[in-house]
Amino acid sequence: AQSVSQHNHHVILSEAASLELGCNYSYGGTVNLFWYVQYPGQHLQLLLKYFSGDPLVKGIKGFEAEFIKSKFSFNLRKPSVQWSDTAEYFCAVNAGNAGGTSYGKLTFGQGTILTVHP
Amino acid sequence: DADVTQTPRNRITKTGKRIMLECSQTKGHDRMYWYRQDPGLGLRLIYYSFDVKDINKGEISDGYSVSRQAQAKFSLSLESAIPNQTALYFCATSSGRMGKETQYFGPGTRLLVL
Repeated sequence: AQSVSQHNHHVILSEAASLELGCNYSYGGTVNLFWYVQYPGQHLQLLLKYFSGDPLVKGIKGFEAEFIKSKFSFNLRKPSVQWSDTAEYFCAVNAGNAGGTSYGKLTFGQGTILTVHP
Repeated sequence: DADVTQTPRNRITKTGKRIMLECSQTKGHDRMYWYRQDPGLGLRLIYYSFDVKDINKGEISDGYSVSRQAQAKFSLSLESAIPNQTALYFCATSSGRMGKETQYFGPGTRLLVL
């Protein structure tokens, strides 16, 4: 079974600081990778996704993520955060190939709460 | 996403009561999912349905049941609610070729079991 680990439970930054949130997964096959954001009181919204191709993926609101296959990682980055980025961020993985119990199902990390001070 | 709606948005119930959470979508997606979110645990899959006649248990299905009444509707039931089922529940749908799909989430139902 696949699993996802987000290293930081709570990250606190000042505006304009750079952000990197870690995400590691365990699954030996082809994977699809996602970052979702949940603003306070709201539902999950897709930030970006990786299926194949260029391992550096750009998403909405200036976020990007890099897939490093050898490290089983998909870290989220933003060069300069804003107060409005305060939210909880979730990394998620699903298996990209048919076969196995994880196909078609999304596994989430525990989430990282980001607090940005003005 | 306004195309995935959940009712009710908030619910308080008592231990032992049966309740149903409903999810509707206008996206035309075949695949639908129910998750629960608990602080520090992320989202965990309760049940999922790849089409109207296909329903599967997720990682935490005990104490829950589902019904896929139509392509657009997927309901989650708690037959006899207990306090540790207090959580935020999300419905999701997905599109795309299997193995290349993206999930879209509803606004969530906040459930409190007393």
